[in-house]
Amino acid sequence: NAGVTQTPKFQVLKTGQSMTLQCAQDMNHNSMYWYRQDPGMGLRLIYYSASEGTTDKGEVPNGYNVSRLNKREFSLRLESAAPSQTSVYFCASSEFYPMIGDRDQPQHFGDGTRLSIL
Amino acid sequence: GQQVMQIPQYQHVQEGEDFTTYCNSSTTLSNIQWYKQRPGGHPVFLIQLVKSGEVKKQKRLTFQFGEAKKNSSLHITATQTTDVGTYFCAGLKNYGGSQGNLIFGKGTKLSVKP
Repeated sequence: NAGVTQTPKFQVLKTGQSMTLQCAQDMNHNSMYWYRQDPGMGLRLIYYSASEGTTDKGEVPNGYNVSRLNKREFSLRLESAAPSQTSVYFCASSEFYPMIGDRDQPQHFGDGTRLSIL
Repeated sequence: GQQVMQIPQYQHVQEGEDFTTYCNSSTTLSNIQWYKQRPGGHPVFLIQLVKSGEVKKQKRLTFQFGEAKKNSSLHITATQTTDVGTYFCAGLKNYGGSQGNLIFGKGTKLSVKP
């Protein structure tokens, strides 16, 4: 199994350009997430999708949009890229069992997309 | 908003020395997860603690969850060069199975000198 696959691995954009980061998981997980990682800032949640058909904002959603295309795929779109969006972007997925209550499940991360915006 | 603070930010040790990173939350956590990220890699899940006062061990790694479920620690005994990386704690934001809101600490970057 590939786990969580992200494409592309690297990308350089000019300010104002748009692009979509792709993410797919083959673990049949319900939940998927997009994070950005900046030096010294840890991982910050951009958007997440608890299940197919739903999406919600995370900590830093401004400037981004997402689409949960189906259970496997969750894409992140930058409509008009800005230098402040230069970062490493990670997609993750996890299972979720609402009947368990307050126990969450481990998140499985992709290899990341290193995005530079000039 | 809820924060998860992690200290120290950096730690440099000689191989064979012990290492500890601490994680503190401003509010009670439902559970806490620990992840390791190797340089240039992606975070990899290590362990989850759920119960108050819980202690779990993985070989040389010992994880603890505080009695009040507001703090946690990861202790590595006799570090090896393979332990190099950044260690993150992550707390669940809400109770009751709320989904999708893990709050990550900023991580502790461990370097090990052979």
